[in-house]
Amino acid sequence: SSELTQPPSVSVSPGQTARITCSGDALPKKYAHWYQQKSGQAPVLVIYEDTKRPSGIPERFSGSSSGTMATLTISGAQVDDEADYYCFSTDSGANPFGGGTKLTVL
Amino acid sequence: EVQLVESGGGLVQPGGSLKLSCAASGFSFSDSAIHWVRQASGKGLEWIGRMKSRPSNYATTYAASLKGRFTISRDDSKNTAYLQMNSLQTEDTAVYYCTRVGAKPFDNWGQGALVTVSS
Repeated sequence: SSELTQPPSVSVSPGQTARITCSGDALPKKYAHWYQQKSGQAPVLVIYEDTKRPSGIPERFSGSSSGTMATLTISGAQVDDEADYYCFSTDSGANPFGGGTKLTVL
Repeated sequence: EVQLVESGGGLVQPGGSLKLSCAASGFSFSDSAIHWVRQASGKGLEWIGRMKSRPSNYATTYAASLKGRFTISRDDSKNTAYLQMNSLQTEDTAVYYCTRVGAKPFDNWGQGALVTVSS
């Protein structure tokens, strides 16, 4: 079980802004990291330490964190962004991954 | 190029054991913590545990839910980490990934190894 809570699904139209939240009691003290996983593939880091974007990740991906909630924002979502997204944070109970959010872009 | 390659997956009977390997290249393996993560079909990511590097005395931490059945080890001379799994149960059927903490957390992952526990 996860002690990081994510909505099971988020749906947006292409070009709209998608926001995926992750809530957990440890988040005021610990960083949140975000991973994108497309079907049949290994996860890919898209945001780390709440707000930092690795090289090679499009600028439309951004992160923020306030209190017990971290948010992954995809500005101008594209069909190619359709995937499962997972937050991760240490000291978040039995499983430091959130339950995952399926992003649908159509 | 950083690479992590899992091997050793396969079919095992309930109650059996299996040892996965994670061969690393393209980075300083001996300086990196290695984590194992699994994913059952259609389910989310589940953290299994991690082993730190030698400067941190190879400290290990595991998910409590595994109840001591899994053990992580490493051989820095071979740039390889291992996941020993004992008393396997059908619910352990999953794809098992190794990943590292480099300059960023889990910035590289293997392709995964499928473990199927079935009679």
